[in-house]
Amino acid sequence: QKEVEQNSGPLSVPEGAIASLNCTYSDRGSQSFFWYRQYSGKSPELIMSIYSNGDKEDGRFTAQLNKASQYVSLLIRDSQPSDSATYLCAVNRFTAGNKLTFGGGTRVLVKP
Amino acid sequence: GAVVSQHPSWVICKSGTSVKIECRSLDFQATTMFWYRQFPKQSLMLMATSNEGSKATYEQGVEKDKFLINHASLTLSTLTVTSAHPEDSSFYICSADRDLDSAFGPGTRLLVL
Repeated sequence: QKEVEQNSGPLSVPEGAIASLNCTYSDRGSQSFFWYRQYSGKSPELIMSIYSNGDKEDGRFTAQLNKASQYVSLLIRDSQPSDSATYLCAVNRFTAGNKLTFGGGTRVLVKP
Repeated sequence: GAVVSQHPSWVICKSGTSVKIECRSLDFQATTMFWYRQFPKQSLMLMATSNEGSKATYEQGVEKDKFLINHASLTLSTLTVTSAHPEDSSFYICSADRDLDSAFGPGTRLLVL
């Protein structure tokens, strides 16, 4: 079992729709959770971080965390073609500094 | 926001040569930096944790004698790929620790012929 699992996709969504991305993790000691967006050939860029159970909203993005189920998700509302990228879920244990374990990423395609 | 730079952005070298990649935190000090490697169509894999003033900590399966890491100051960590071979061709990305998250560098693409 991989430490952080994501559906590789591609997840195809029409422009303006909601894209829903899921991530599960195996280490119950994980304390902080991140969603990164990575365009082809580029370095990841941080979209959201979440540390406690529940929802966290930032603009068109909402992250949801459920530690009991070891599950974190990302919703992208009003999807735009510029949102087409690979989305990486990453988890971290505080005791390990910011040493991140990444999932395999979900490729999202937003079609005009 | 916090900025991390990497140099060079890309490098092509012959098999057997050594390549040094620099990672700098430009507007903050980072006692800890991380080096990741990403092969095509794969996710980032942590190679090592670079600690200022002490030896790096390598992940399982990463050869410490092949991937030399030096974190000589609070703003600079270097990764040297020694005797590079074609299988070392990859996208190398560093990140610098800052409070609750990390700032990533733009990456260095290495191609070994």
